[in-house]
Amino acid sequence: QVQLQESGPGLVKPSQTLSLTCGVSGDSISSGTYYWSWIRQHPMRGLEWVGHIFRTGRTYYNPSLQSRLVISIDTSQNLFSLSLNSVTAADTAIYYCARVGAVAGPPYFDYWGQGTPVTVSS
Amino acid sequence: SYVLTQPPSVSVAPGTTARLTCGDSDIGTTGVQWYQQKPGQAPVLVMYYDSDRPSGIPERFSGSNSDNTATLTITRVEAGDEAVYFCQVWDSSVDHVVFGGGTKLTVL
Repeated sequence: QVQLQESGPGLVKPSQTLSLTCGVSGDSISSGTYYWSWIRQHPMRGLEWVGHIFRTGRTYYNPSLQSRLVISIDTSQNLFSLSLNSVTAADTAIYYCARVGAVAGPPYFDYWGQGTPVTVSS
Repeated sequence: SYVLTQPPSVSVAPGTTARLTCGDSDIGTTGVQWYQQKPGQAPVLVMYYDSDRPSGIPERFSGSNSDNTATLTITRVEAGDEAVYFCQVWDSSVDHVVFGGGTKLTVL
């Protein structure tokens, strides 16, 4: 069974960098054929795709976040990470990591972490 | 690009059929996914590529997509189906995932 677990600080000050990590178990990032994704959900609102990454480092980013966003991958540790700089209150959300289930074809998200809440506040 | 429109809420009685819609003028040209999210939980994939059901999802859940509307149909609705349902597509013109705003399904 594939499991994902987000970790990182729950509170980030405005203008600083939000950094989160997603540990994966039950699947090998280094040998698999899947992309790995970050998705966020603002309080009481819908879902927003952040971006995703392949084991080779190939990335796709949400254009609205691209200038502030880096998603990286560590195949040796079987984890991937998110770094979002210059954060504001608008970045306050629950951040989920997820596996992109499609090996080929349009992506969908078949396994999700439990989510980690991040608040941007001074 | 896609702008997925979902009604904010749908209410049905137990044992009846719920039809949740996701609209866009071009939605018929791409595959649509559906996620179920219960309070305090992560979303769960309940349908992909319009009408494919992941393992573990009951046969009561089915999907369709034609013209300008994708539909998730839940037959014999149960209290446990009460949740928010999101639709999702991949916009290949800009390599971007798009989610709908979600529909809260209330079981009366």
